[in-house]
Amino acid sequence: AQSVTQLDSQVPVFEEAPVELRCNYSSSVSVYLFWYVQYPNQGLQLLLKYLSGSTLVKGINGFEAEFNKSQTSFHLRKPSVHISDTAEYFCAVSVPGNFNKFYFGSGTKLNVKP
Amino acid sequence: DADVTQTPRNRITKTGKRIMLECSQTKGHDRMYWYRQDPGLGLRLIYYSFDVKDINKGEISDGYSVSRQAQAKFSLSLESAIPNQTALYFCATSDGTGERQPQHFGDGTRLSIL
Repeated sequence: AQSVTQLDSQVPVFEEAPVELRCNYSSSVSVYLFWYVQYPNQGLQLLLKYLSGSTLVKGINGFEAEFNKSQTSFHLRKPSVHISDTAEYFCAVSVPGNFNKFYFGSGTKLNVKP
Repeated sequence: DADVTQTPRNRITKTGKRIMLECSQTKGHDRMYWYRQDPGLGLRLIYYSFDVKDINKGEISDGYSVSRQAQAKFSLSLESAIPNQTALYFCATSDGTGERQPQHFGDGTRLSIL
C-alpha cells in the first residue's frame, strides 16, 4: 500500500528566508509525485510534478523539488519566500496502473512572517 | 469562469437530512473524483468515476453515494447526514490518458452538519 508522510504540520518562516517542506512516501513500485498548494478558501493548485528524468523539478512561483529515490523523498524548496506564499502545501503520489488514484499527505501549513 | 465548479460553496444542515453536492467541469476530462478534507488528515478519496457508466468506491465511501449524470457532471450525496461528515469536500478531474496526469480541483464545498 502507498502512503505519504509530511512530518511538519506547520512551518513558520520569515519573509525572504529559504524554506524546505518535507515529503516522504512509501511504495513498492515506482510512483509519480506531485506538490499542490491550497490558498485560503480555494481548491488545490498544481505546483509541480515529477514523472521521470531529471530529479530536480521546477514549478510555478519559484518553487522546486528534488526526487530522491533511495530516500523515497520529494522535498519542496524555495530559496526566498514571500508573504503571498502563506498557504497549505500537499504532497501526493500516483501509482502507475492504479487508475490515477492519488494518495495525499496530511499537508504542511507555511506561515510567512514579515 | 472556473474549469471545475462546485455548488454550493457553503452549506449548513441538520443531522438526518439528505444533501447533494454538485460538481461540473468544462475541461472535457473523463475522470472525476470526490474527496473530503479534514484538518491534519489531508484529502481522502470518497468515490471516483472514469466515465458515465463507471463508478468506483474510494477509501471512505460509507455513508456517501454518487451519480455521474453526464461526462461533465458528478454529484455526491449524503443520504442521512451525520455530524462527523462535517468537512471540506472537493471535486477533481483528470485527463483519461493515464496516471501521469495531474488532477484539477474545484474550490470546495464547506459542509457543516449540526
